[in-house]
Amino acid sequence: KAGVTQTPRYLIKTRGQQVTLSCSPISGHRSVSWYQQTPGQGLQFLFEYFSETQRNKGNFPGRFSGRQFSNSRSEMNVSTLELGDSALYLCASSLEAGLDGYTFGSGTRLTVV
Amino acid sequence: AQSVTQLGSHVSVSEGALVLLRCNYSSSVPPYLFWYVQYPNQGLQLLLKYTSAATLVKGINGFEAEFKKSETSFHLTKPSAHMSDAAEYFCAVSGGGSNYKLTFGKGTLLTVNP
Repeated sequence: KAGVTQTPRYLIKTRGQQVTLSCSPISGHRSVSWYQQTPGQGLQFLFEYFSETQRNKGNFPGRFSGRQFSNSRSEMNVSTLELGDSALYLCASSLEAGLDGYTFGSGTRLTVV
Repeated sequence: AQSVTQLGSHVSVSEGALVLLRCNYSSSVPPYLFWYVQYPNQGLQLLLKYTSAATLVKGINGFEAEFKKSETSFHLTKPSAHMSDAAEYFCAVSGGGSNYKLTFGKGTLLTVNP
């Protein structure tokens, strides 16, 4: 079956702009999580959605937001981009609360210049 | 609160040698534990998971890990390293229940020498 699909794979944005990243989970998976990966901070949890409801949120500023659609696809948005937002953004999906393990996509590499 | 400590940011082994990557966790509730591998410019691939069943967990590519509650450890092992095992490995903990997030360690970069 198809894995977790993230688009686009690479993005270059200018400081102050906003960006939207997309994630399509594995068919049947209703939980979608987002993580930010940087060399300095490692892997950090952004938020998790289940059936269009945000169930958990990490310690990121309000410029980071997300949503989930009825077909379980998810988007995350970052407004007023800062240089420090440059990172690999990873999406993960699971059937329910990760008991089956989380399957990750290949990520979106965001570079803010 | 949960946390993960991976001992050794870089481990180097010879091909055919034992691989041992260390992970210690802290959790206020019975944890779910995971090991992931990441190859350059790729996402994370699940190697194995512990979710309160057998304490010795077997995963893909010949890897296994043992959950030791008394030592709060979940070390990853492989009897014989292969060149293709060179990658970065992450240990992660989840609290299960209403805790819907993974807390990751800083990662261990495994180098396999010919």
